Amino acid sequence: QKEVEQDPGPLSVPEGAIVSLNCTYSNSAFQYFMWYRQYSRKGPELLMYTYSSGNKEDGRFTAQVDKSSKYISLFIRDSQPSDSATYLCAIHTGNQFYFGTGTSLTVIP
Amino acid sequence: DTEVTQTPKHLVMGMTNKKSLKCEQHMGHRAMYWYKQKAKKPPELMFVYSYEKLSINESVPSRFSPECPNSSLLNLHLHALQPEDSALYLCASSQEFYGDRRQAFFGQGTRLTVV
Repeated sequence: QKEVEQDPGPLSVPEGAIVSLNCTYSNSAFQYFMWYRQYSRKGPELLMYTYSSGNKEDGRFTAQVDKSSKYISLFIRDSQPSDSATYLCAIHTGNQFYFGTGTSLTVIP
Repeated sequence: DTEVTQTPKHLVMGMTNKKSLKCEQHMGHRAMYWYKQKAKKPPELMFVYSYEKLSINESVPSRFSPECPNSSLLNLHLHALQPEDSALYLCASSQEFYGDRRQAFFGQGTRLTVV
């Protein structure tokens, strides 16, 4: 089993929709979770960083960690065409960094 | 300011060339990273420097040689690369590698083509 699993999509939604992006992970000891947004041919941009469990909100973005299910989520409210990108979950534990494969999102005007 | 600056943005090099990629951050971060990213794949970790010491080398071929001259700069020296080394090379930094302040900020990358 991979350390982090992410559905690659692609995911296509209409403008204004709520988007839910998800990853599962293998080790219940993981504690540091990140979500990145990456536009084509650009570097990843850090969106959210969560330590341990719970929710974190920043504008239209909410990151959620469910440690009992080993599940992390990123919700995007009122999605915009400018949100069209690849979203990568990442976990940093000990001296290891694990990225999900990324989910490609398209928001249609 | 959460900026990590990478130069050059694009690089084309022959298999016998020697070139260097540069990365700079002025956020006082003590951990710096090199990643390689192929198209439609997630970034793959290559090297980690923590407090200017090489902490992680993910079994990267010796034709890639990292260097951390000081806490703000990170170089990646390239020599005798192969066409399959063509990729986006990303630099990142974080306040710490261990501890709670480990969220990493990425540069825009150097797109390397080996011909």
